[in-house]
Amino acid sequence: SQQGEEDPQALSIQEGENATMNCSYKTSINNLQWYRQNSGRGLVHLILIRSNEREKHSGRLRVTLDTSKKSSSLLITASRAADTASYFCATDGGNNNDMRFGAGTRLTVKP
Amino acid sequence: DADVTQTPRNRITKTGKRIMLECSQTKGHDRMYWYRQDPGLGLRLIYYSFDVKDINKGEISDGYSVSRQAQAKFSLSLESAIPNQTALYFCATSAAWGGQETQYFGPGTRLLVL
Repeated sequence: SQQGEEDPQALSIQEGENATMNCSYKTSINNLQWYRQNSGRGLVHLILIRSNEREKHSGRLRVTLDTSKKSSSLLITASRAADTASYFCATDGGNNNDMRFGAGTRLTVKP
Repeated sequence: DADVTQTPRNRITKTGKRIMLECSQTKGHDRMYWYRQDPGLGLRLIYYSFDVKDINKGEISDGYSVSRQAQAKFSLSLESAIPNQTALYFCATSAAWGGQETQYFGPGTRLLVL
């Protein structure tokens, strides 16, 4: 069964706007990761946040983690058409590396 | 050159046929994984391997088998393919032991079972 659930399922914005995607999960985790997938391609790792961290930045990406609410958000600032992709959260409970992926958010950035 | 490669990239087969999907990596990672992706369901883990000859079942291993004969290679077999195994299959690798690891994915194999 899936662990993470992304929200929304699909998001369409204009270039230059910010995009926020959310992920909720059910059990305790060691870390949470966000991945990006271009259509028909493999997933590419974007950022990892540990369970004892609350916020992390990487370029135009900002990830927050609230373990009390079992939720995370991914913010992409100043979006570009090239950011169009599906974004997945993946939780790692640290138990034999059983990473679980959510169903993803499909982001479309219109030029 | 890609660090994680999968062959074939696309495959059409018939119900009941045996097929094998291959994965190779040049990252020197110990851990390798096979996932399937279905529309709207994200990725689900089929099997994973921590080292050569080490095999562990994932969430949806029924109908699949794997072989890890070398550190760089991890193959997935469908002994008798059925239509609901039509999906996009991904191989992935990782280096670290549990906790703070990142997975590196291959480009995927699109499988259609008729």
